Amino acid sequence: QVHLVQSGAEVKKPGASVGVSCKASGYTLTGYYMHWVRQAPGQGLEWMGWIDPNSGGTNYAQKFQGRVTMTRDTSISTAYMELSRLTSDDTAVYYCARDSPIAAAVDSWGQGTLVTVSS
Amino acid sequence: QSALTQPASVSGSPGQSITISCTGTSSDVGSYNLVSWYQQHPGKAPKLMIYEGSKRPSGVSNRFSGSKSGNTASLTISGLQAEDEADYYCCSYAGSSTLVFGTGTKVTVL
Repeated sequence: QVHLVQSGAEVKKPGASVGVSCKASGYTLTGYYMHWVRQAPGQGLEWMGWIDPNSGGTNYAQKFQGRVTMTRDTSISTAYMELSRLTSDDTAVYYCARDSPIAAAVDSWGQGTLVTVSS
Repeated sequence: QSALTQPASVSGSPGQSITISCTGTSSDVGSYNLVSWYQQHPGKAPKLMIYEGSKRPSGVSNRFSGSKSGNTASLTISGLQAEDEADYYCCSYAGSSTLVFGTGTKVTVL
């Protein structure tokens, strides 16, 4: 059974960076791309990008290029997302989500990590 | 990449059928048969309901079905039940290994 367990909530000041971790179990991390998706309060889902845990290759949404970094540590089956130069608009729940092996879809989601940006 | 357009809300009575539209462009929905749909209950993570436009993952009720015509994909929920009340999001492959989500639709069971 696939489980994605994310790190806990964070409160950051504007201009700071935040890191969110996502520990995978029930499958081999390197076998599937990992997406990151965020959801601002009361708003919709927004795709941020993916990492190929096997190669470390990444593909970021244009909106986040230059500000987001996705990495992984295969020895502990964990993916990471770091977002820099935070503003209040980055206040959101951040999800990691496993790529479906079937098609362009995500089939398993973490529980979400609330990141609050406030001075 | 602009978000796909969905109606803000759709409602129906128990037992009825409802359809949620998801309008994109010829660069995403119109070019690929790779639309997925997600159900999200309040405070919960999304759940995959439909992939590749019309296919259901194991365990998803056959009351959920998907289709596509041109640049618009649709999700139909038949035999509406109270448990179907949730937010629904479409998502499409948009080329260059990117995805784009829809704006989301709140489904209310009257």
